[in-house]
Amino acid sequence: AQKVTQAQTEISVVEKEDVTLDCVYETRDTTYYLFWYKQPPSGELVFLIRRNSFDEQNEISGRYSWNFQKSTSSFNFTITASQVVDSAVYFCALRRTGTASKLTFGTGTRLQVTL
Amino acid sequence: DAGVTQSPTHLIKTRGQQVTLRCSPISGHKSVSWYQQVLGQGPQFIFQYYEKEERGRGNFPDRFSARQFPNYSSELNVNALLLGDSALYLCASSWRAHGEGYNEQFFGPGTRLTVL
Repeated sequence: AQKVTQAQTEISVVEKEDVTLDCVYETRDTTYYLFWYKQPPSGELVFLIRRNSFDEQNEISGRYSWNFQKSTSSFNFTITASQVVDSAVYFCALRRTGTASKLTFGTGTRLQVTL
Repeated sequence: DAGVTQSPTHLIKTRGQQVTLRCSPISGHKSVSWYQQVLGQGPQFIFQYYEKEERGRGNFPDRFSARQFPNYSSELNVNALLLGDSALYLCASSWRAHGEGYNEQFFGPGTRLTVL
């Protein structure tokens, strides 16, 4: 069975602070994909990043960066210099390869960025 | 290009009724998946359809059914509604069925169903 755990239910930061959202996953598969999605109040899930299990390179995209560590089954997401527009619920998700496109989501972390 | 569209936006039903939710995928996408998101939880996978065939099913009762049409749009039907079916129902489309790296799922805005 696959499982994604996001232990942080809610995080509040002041604008321009850096914030890290944690994600720990469980799977017996040797190959898999990991994702981060953003869900603003409108409800639509916005794709942020996909990471293959065989590629442990960290990635940076503007103010966003991701730290994938297979040894600890973690895929953490950092927002540098947070902005009010970053306020949303963030979901980490896991998907098996070669089968149906089923995504297994964590319970999400609500990020509140204030002025 | 239009994204994934879903209708209706909101829906209120009473227990025991039946409901049909609709989804139109991104043009060119042949796979549609449905997810249920209960308030405060992550989305839970319900179904995946590809080329009008069911390719995956989550742990949901038989009251939930779906189908995909020749134009790749899809409907999700829920019979004998229960209070616990109140949720945001999300539709996602992707180019094809398999979990290839470039086969990202793009989500629609969802249909918020309230069962009274």
